[in-house]
Amino acid sequence: DTAVSQTPKYLVTQMGNDKSIKCEQNLGHDTMYWYKQDSKKFLKIMFSYNNKELIINETVPNRFSPKSPDKAHLNLHINSLELGDSAVYFCASSQEGGVNTEAFFGQGTRLTVV
Amino acid sequence: GENVEQHPSTLSVQEGDSAVIKCTYSDSASNYFPWYKQELGKGPQLIIDIRSNVGEKKDQRIAVTLNKTAKHFSLHITETQPEDSAVYFCAASLNTPLVFGKGTRLSVIA
Repeated sequence: DTAVSQTPKYLVTQMGNDKSIKCEQNLGHDTMYWYKQDSKKFLKIMFSYNNKELIINETVPNRFSPKSPDKAHLNLHINSLELGDSAVYFCASSQEGGVNTEAFFGQGTRLTVV
Repeated sequence: GENVEQHPSTLSVQEGDSAVIKCTYSDSASNYFPWYKQELGKGPQLIIDIRSNVGEKKDQRIAVTLNKTAKHFSLHITETQPEDSAVYFCAASLNTPLVFGKGTRLSVIA
């Protein structure tokens, strides 16, 4: 069973389009995240949600809008895609409040804007 | 906020040799320090972690040391094997989310 799954794995789209990436975790975790990994492999937090509520929004353009319908899902919608949005986007989850705060990552979505 | 520096950015070792990756962090309140391994085309995966009340932790060929006074921690991999080749990330946090270093690309040459 996949703990954190995100779809699609690859996404190629034109500038100006709107696209969504879906994420689901079956670990029963309370907190989910979106990270962006650029071409130099730098992993940077974008959003953090705890029990469907936005906790952290790290200076991400308004074109990025996360949505959490329930605590097992955190989707990322991106409007008016730009060339600079090309990156690998990782969804992750962790259990807050416990001793172990290990974050489990999905396999990533490679977004290419052309 | 927390800032994590990681060195070196690339590391090549001969199979069987040891590899050491070092990280420093800025927020003295951080208390959780995991290390992640990312293989090509996959998401990062936890390989070992350490908390601030422990100075060293070992799991088979990998070990992590933590110096809270100096605010640095290190990953040690002994008897390296080709399958250890990957990008390794250190991270630090007090409360999530994790703040990552910029990664070290480890190449183990057979």
